Amino acid sequence: AQTVTQSQPEMSVQEAETVTLSCTYDTSENNYYLFWYKQPPSRQMILVIRQEAYKQQNATENRFSVNFQKAAKSFSLKISDSQLGDTAMYFCAFMSGGAQKLVFGQGTRLTINP
Amino acid sequence: NAGVTQTPKFQVLKTGQSMTLQCAQDMNHEYMSWYRQDPGMGLRLIHYSVGAGITDQGEVPNGYNVSRSTTEDFPLRLLSAAPSQTSVYFCASTSASAYEQYFGPGTRLTVT
Repeated sequence: AQTVTQSQPEMSVQEAETVTLSCTYDTSENNYYLFWYKQPPSRQMILVIRQEAYKQQNATENRFSVNFQKAAKSFSLKISDSQLGDTAMYFCAFMSGGAQKLVFGQGTRLTINP
Repeated sequence: NAGVTQTPKFQVLKTGQSMTLQCAQDMNHEYMSWYRQDPGMGLRLIHYSVGAGITDQGEVPNGYNVSRSTTEDFPLRLLSAAPSQTSVYFCASTSASAYEQYFGPGTRLTVT
């Protein structure tokens, strides 16, 4: 069974700083997808960024980028120029290719301070 | 296009009571899933469906039933509520050709 581990329960940075959230996963599969979801206090789950395992290029979405290290099974999220609205829980998630079932990490609570 | 909707938003049950959490989507997605979110544990898959009439168990299925009679609806039934089922429940849907899951707003359930 796949597992996802987020080793940082909480992080806190100042507004405009860059922050990196860590995620490692365990799988024997070669075809899979990785995701970062944001959950603000509203509780809504919001997809931040997605990475296909077969793609070597790291995904980017505006201020959000990932560092995908397939051999090391590592998938970190970098948030540049952090904003107060980035304050939320962040979940790393794994999906086997074609399975449509997500396996989540425990989450990292990120606080952006003014 | 409402996306994924869930009702109710909040519910309090007594131990032993039964209830159904409703989930509907209007995106014609084949796949629908139920997750529960507990503090410090992320989201865990309860049951999922790959299409009308087809359901299967996820990681934590005990105490829950599902059915999928239409593409749009995927209700989750608690047969006899227990305090261990106190949690936030999320429904999600996605199409077979995509990998982004769309989540509903969640239902906070408390069992006393």
